[in-house]
Amino acid sequence: GAVVSQHPSRVICKSGTSVKIECRSLDFQATTMFWYRQFPKKSLMLMATSNEGSKATYEQGVEKDKFLINHASLTLSTLTVTSAHPEDSSFYICSASKTTGSSYEQYFGPGTRLTVT
Amino acid sequence: GDSVTQMEGPVTLSEEAFLTINCTYTATGYPSLFWYVQYPGEGLQLLLKATKADDKGSNKGFEATYRKETTSFHLEKGSVQVSDSAVYFCALNRQAGTALIFGKGTTLSVSS
Repeated sequence: GAVVSQHPSRVICKSGTSVKIECRSLDFQATTMFWYRQFPKKSLMLMATSNEGSKATYEQGVEKDKFLINHASLTLSTLTVTSAHPEDSSFYICSASKTTGSSYEQYFGPGTRLTVT
Repeated sequence: GDSVTQMEGPVTLSEEAFLTINCTYTATGYPSLFWYVQYPGEGLQLLLKATKADDKGSNKGFEATYRKETTSFHLEKGSVQVSDSAVYFCALNRQAGTALIFGKGTTLSVSS
């Protein structure tokens, strides 16, 4: 199978601090990973596309200086929420793309619940 | 731009009822289409997919057929169970290596 993990699964931090979320593909190499934010009414918003060894591509309206993304290896991407505020509280989900021959799929991590107090 | 529209629900059914969740899409070319399921407190799991017109994806009793002429990918199940209660997302992907585009999700609640 293809497994993607996220760590931590839940985190509570104080306003003004930074939080790092890790996304790992456990049994495959992923040249591309994606970060989504899920809002209370369920919709998923793509935040950025992360390519190994290069800068992330951010979607319009996402602050790149606030949401730092690093994709240092083919199995790890990190999202750092800097100077977090209560409005950053959300469910963050990563996905990793896997291409096998002509088949392409994305596998999702279990998500990280961030609460900023 | 590309988009996915699905009925928002919530959909409330009794066990063994028939389920349909409508999904239509707007995209150029021939995107791949997906249904993902999210159980409470968890991430998204791929339920089924179809990569070309007239393909039928199926898994765990769920089915969806890629209809190019109506730009639809409706999810169906003949007899739902309580354990099917979850949020279901329809999604498309126009090109390998790019992000999925999701609908807003449909909450399904099945009671015994």
